[in-house]
Amino acid sequence: EVQLVESGGGLEQPGGSLRLSCAASRFTFSNYAMNWVRQAPGKGLEWVSAISGSGGSTYYADSVKGRFAISRDNSKNTLYLQMNSLRAEDTAMYYCAKDITFGGVVATRGAFDIWGQGTMVTVSS
Amino acid sequence: QSALTQPASVSGSPGQSITISCTGTSSDVGGYNYVSWYQHHPGKAPKLIIYDVSSRPSGVSNRFSGSKSGNTASLTISGLQAEDEADYYCSSYTTSSTWVFGGGTKLTVL
Repeated sequence: EVQLVESGGGLEQPGGSLRLSCAASRFTFSNYAMNWVRQAPGKGLEWVSAISGSGGSTYYADSVKGRFAISRDNSKNTLYLQMNSLRAEDTAMYYCAKDITFGGVVATRGAFDIWGQGTMVTVSS
Repeated sequence: QSALTQPASVSGSPGQSITISCTGTSSDVGGYNYVSWYQHHPGKAPKLIIYDVSSRPSGVSNRFSGSKSGNTASLTISGLQAEDEADYYCSSYTTSSTWVFGGGTKLTVL
């Protein structure tokens, strides 16, 4: 079964940093773009970032641009999200999600067919 | 980029049909045929149920259907079942080369 498993969440102080990981299994990881989507407590889903299959193209929501960095290691089938200058409003469950489109480009259709169970990030002093 | 507008809640009885709307602008929903819908049971991973406005991924029941008119997309669930009770989110590509979700709609099966 195709699977995504996130890790790395936890409690961090405002201004601090965290790195999230997403381990993929049972599909050819490099053939698909990947995304991070978050959900703050009691709120809706918010798209955070996307990366192409090769890692050469990245995209960010305005709310995280300049503070977060998405990357991937295709040799380890792992997606990352480096989160710097954390703010209270970054508190959320963070999900990694696979793009449905084969080929690795970040397709404009933005359809995410496989999701992980999420990892919780809490930013508080 | 503002979130797409969805009703906070909808409800229906088993066997009935319901429709959830998703309103954006010409910069997102109205400008592209790239609207997706997700079903989210709290505590579980979201599930893609519609993409490209009206396409269903393999394995998704044909009770779920999508459409779009102008700046508003719609998700219709026919033959409501108890297990359909969940949160539903729409999403769309935007002219800013980003993706935006709706605020979510809680479906209650009476």
